[in-house]
Amino acid sequence: DQQVKQNSPSLSVQEGRISILNCDYTNSMFDYFLWYKKYPAEGPTFLISISSIKDKNEDGRFTVFLNKSAKHLSLHIVPSQPGDSAVYFCAASPNNNDMRFGAGTRLTVKP
Amino acid sequence: DAGITQSPRHKVTETGTPVTLRCHQTENHRYMYWYRQDPGHGLRLIHYSYGVKDTDKGEVSDGYSVSRSKTEDFLLTLESATSSQTSVYFCAISERLGDYNEQFFGPGTRLTVL
Repeated sequence: DQQVKQNSPSLSVQEGRISILNCDYTNSMFDYFLWYKKYPAEGPTFLISISSIKDKNEDGRFTVFLNKSAKHLSLHIVPSQPGDSAVYFCAASPNNNDMRFGAGTRLTVKP
Repeated sequence: DAGITQSPRHKVTETGTPVTLRCHQTENHRYMYWYRQDPGHGLRLIHYSYGVKDTDKGEVSDGYSVSRSKTEDFLLTLESATSSQTSVYFCAISERLGDYNEQFFGPGTRLTVL
């Protein structure tokens, strides 16, 4: 039972444009959401997070939006850079000792 | 980079053989985790530890056991490996439970069970 879904396995954008990665979840108990970035042959690294009490969190070029009523969150990268090319995982936590990941979206930013 | 190493980095083994993966940290973090990553599933938690000799099950713990005899080492054992356990295994550490934005991952171990 996949409680966190990333329905787009891949996304390709041009350098300088906006990248939008989407994530849907089914468990209404999730109250903390994260995005991780993963390069080949490396472990995931934390990118940005958002609590369910907020609807937006921004960190430099990265912004995460949360729509609780739709059980949907998205990651915006503006402007996209070739170094952003990686696999992005959405994750959600319902409490302090559990976290569920989506399957990931492979982002390719073309020069 | 957080001081997390995993060994071996790659392993090929046969069905039915025991396999032990090691995670070693130099950060003295209390919590350690084992995840597996499979296509179409993202990362799934196998087991985690909240101290020496203190462990608990995660989402996909069947077929796996863990041990933590020292703060710095967390071992994952497949008592009798099966082909369904072919995966990439990641260790992670954190200072506080649930502090996921401060959870650091190791480089991963690619395990193939033939």
